[in-house]
Amino acid sequence: DTGVSQDPRHKITKRGQNVTFRCDPISEHNRLYWYRQTLGQGPEFLTYFQNEAQLEKSRLLSDRFSAERPKGSFSTLEIQRTEQGDSAMYLCASSLAMPEQYFGPGTRLTVT
Amino acid sequence: AQKITQTQPGMFVQEKEAVTLDCTYDTSDPSYGLFWYKQPSSGEMIFLIYQGSYDQQNATEGRYSLNFQKARKSANLVISASQLGDSAMYFCAMSDYSGAGSYQLTFGKGTKLSVIP
Repeated sequence: DTGVSQDPRHKITKRGQNVTFRCDPISEHNRLYWYRQTLGQGPEFLTYFQNEAQLEKSRLLSDRFSAERPKGSFSTLEIQRTEQGDSAMYLCASSLAMPEQYFGPGTRLTVT
Repeated sequence: AQKITQTQPGMFVQEKEAVTLDCTYDTSDPSYGLFWYKQPSSGEMIFLIYQGSYDQQNATEGRYSLNFQKARKSANLVISASQLGDSAMYFCAMSDYSGAGSYQLTFGKGTKLSVIP
């Protein structure tokens, strides 16, 4: 399978715990995006990497959120001190030097 | 700021018939891209079709075509010969070039399409 992969697919955590998600983009894609999708809404942009550099961050990305892309390959998104409002689907997408983005299957986070 | 509006929360179509999903957009940028994605119940966003703002012809990809009317700021998706597997959420999106190399997408709220046998 050469598509975008995300791990885990589902995560249930208690409020206040930290969680980390991983995204593996399509191998030759240098651009990587994170989005968040809440129930009944379209995805919303969180952050963007070009190779290993994080070049864009949305206002949605509070101080409790941090993302990395070491060596310009896989990326991680960490949420510290989770809140119930963080419950959502977290989607990763990658692209080459073109506008089309290819999405992974997402990580569904439930904060109890 | 960019905005995407999808006014049809849900649509029904008979199998083998054609269906049009509406999308209007708002932007002050002269250069932009318009996309349609399909999201089945499994959750993955599947890229369907792309239209650049300077493209003269409407984009087509198999059974999907994008009816781009620039003056009306609309980018409707037409699915011909609907199949049961087309039942899903459909999202219209617009890319915004940030200047830092990002083509981040702004999505609408989606339209749920149900294909009836």
